[in-house]
Amino acid sequence: QQQVKQSPQSLIVQKGGISIINCAYENTAFDYFPWYQQFPGKGPALLIAIRPDVSEKKEGRFTISFNKSAKQFSLHIMDSQPGDSATYFCAASKQTGANNLFFGTGTRLTVIP
Amino acid sequence: NAGVTQTPKFQVLKTGQSMTLQCAQDMNHEYMSWYRQDPGMGLRLIHYSVGAGITDQGEVPNGYNVSRSTTEDFPLRLLSAAPSQTSVYFCASRTDVYEQYFGPGTRLTVT
Repeated sequence: QQQVKQSPQSLIVQKGGISIINCAYENTAFDYFPWYQQFPGKGPALLIAIRPDVSEKKEGRFTISFNKSAKQFSLHIMDSQPGDSATYFCAASKQTGANNLFFGTGTRLTVIP
Repeated sequence: NAGVTQTPKFQVLKTGQSMTLQCAQDMNHEYMSWYRQDPGMGLRLIHYSVGAGITDQGEVPNGYNVSRSTTEDFPLRLLSAAPSQTSVYFCASRTDVYEQYFGPGTRLTVT
């Protein structure tokens, strides 16, 4: 059973546009929500992360929006660039136990010039 | 500082063969884990370790064994390879905080 649901599966955006990827979770014990970026042939790398005590976190062109009551969070990429073309994974974990990360199924983003 | 390294990069096995995927990290991280990545499935946790001598199962442990004799190394063993184990395997490590560092992956094909 997928602990974190991610959509869309793929996304095509024009250069300069906004890319939006959505994730939802069921386990209310989750308290850490990172996004990972993966380029072809490489391992995933942490892009940005949020804790549920804030509703938004921004780092440069990347913003996470978090809705605790809806159990949803999303990644917004402003002014999308061709270099942003990659696969993006949302994930979630909880502070207790081993803090294992549970990943979404991934979104392949293509930014066309 | 090499981070997380994995060998081999590519491997082809026949059904029933066994092999070990190697993973090492030089960041003195206590937590290490193995994931498999399949199209449309995301990354699924196979096994993890919170320190030398301690391992536990993740979401999809069947057909795989692990051991952790040192902080640096966390090998993944396929006991009897099956076509369903064709996948890309990633090793990761982290400290007691949250950022995980992933290796470059091993692409395994079982025929």
